[in-house]
Amino acid sequence: KQEVTQIPAALSVPEGENLVLNCSFTDSAIYNLQWFRQDPGKGLTSLLLIQSSQREQTSGRLNASLDKSSGRSTLYIAASQPGDSATYLCAVRAYSGGGADGLTFGKGTHLIIQP
Amino acid sequence: DTAVSQTPKYLVTQMGNDKSIKCEQNLGHDTMYWYKQDSKKFLKIMFSYNNKELIINETVPNRFSPKSPDKAHLNLHINSLELGDSAVYFCASSPLFGTSGGPSPYNEQFFGPGTRLTVL
Repeated sequence: KQEVTQIPAALSVPEGENLVLNCSFTDSAIYNLQWFRQDPGKGLTSLLLIQSSQREQTSGRLNASLDKSSGRSTLYIAASQPGDSATYLCAVRAYSGGGADGLTFGKGTHLIIQP
Repeated sequence: DTAVSQTPKYLVTQMGNDKSIKCEQNLGHDTMYWYKQDSKKFLKIMFSYNNKELIINETVPNRFSPKSPDKAHLNLHINSLELGDSAVYFCASSPLFGTSGGPSPYNEQFFGPGTRLTVL
């Protein structure tokens, strides 16, 4: 059974710092991995999608890497801003093995960027 | 706007009632999903559905039933609501087919804004 773990669970840093959020998954047989952002009381915004054959994806100040063989992904946020404060969720699309064919989520990293 | 939309945004109801949450996507996607986010903010898949097949997560009680009147809609019906059903429910969609023309699990999923259900 696929399990996704995110470390740290919470992170508070001053504005301007570069930071790394970590995600690990137990079964490397995945199709892809998505990073999402969730603001309080809001839905999920997809940030980056990395296919299993890819090593990284970049969007603006965000860079996500994927090491499928070791079951790890990182989300790098450069020059953090208070507007980056949110919960960041990592999710993998894995072979369903007969179960519902959806994403398996981690519990998220709650990020606070201090002005 | 092209998006996944859900109604209502908030739903407060009594134990034992039957309620529905609606989901619509105008992205032309073939596959739709329902996820539940519990009080600890943990998101779990409940159902996936395309025009051929409904797949139910084994942990979902049979009081929950998705209904799809057409490809753009997947509504969630919940019978005999219980206190533990209180959560935020998210609908999502993704294309079924890839660039090669066959079914593809590599496609990105797009999420709706969520429906916060409170059972009293």
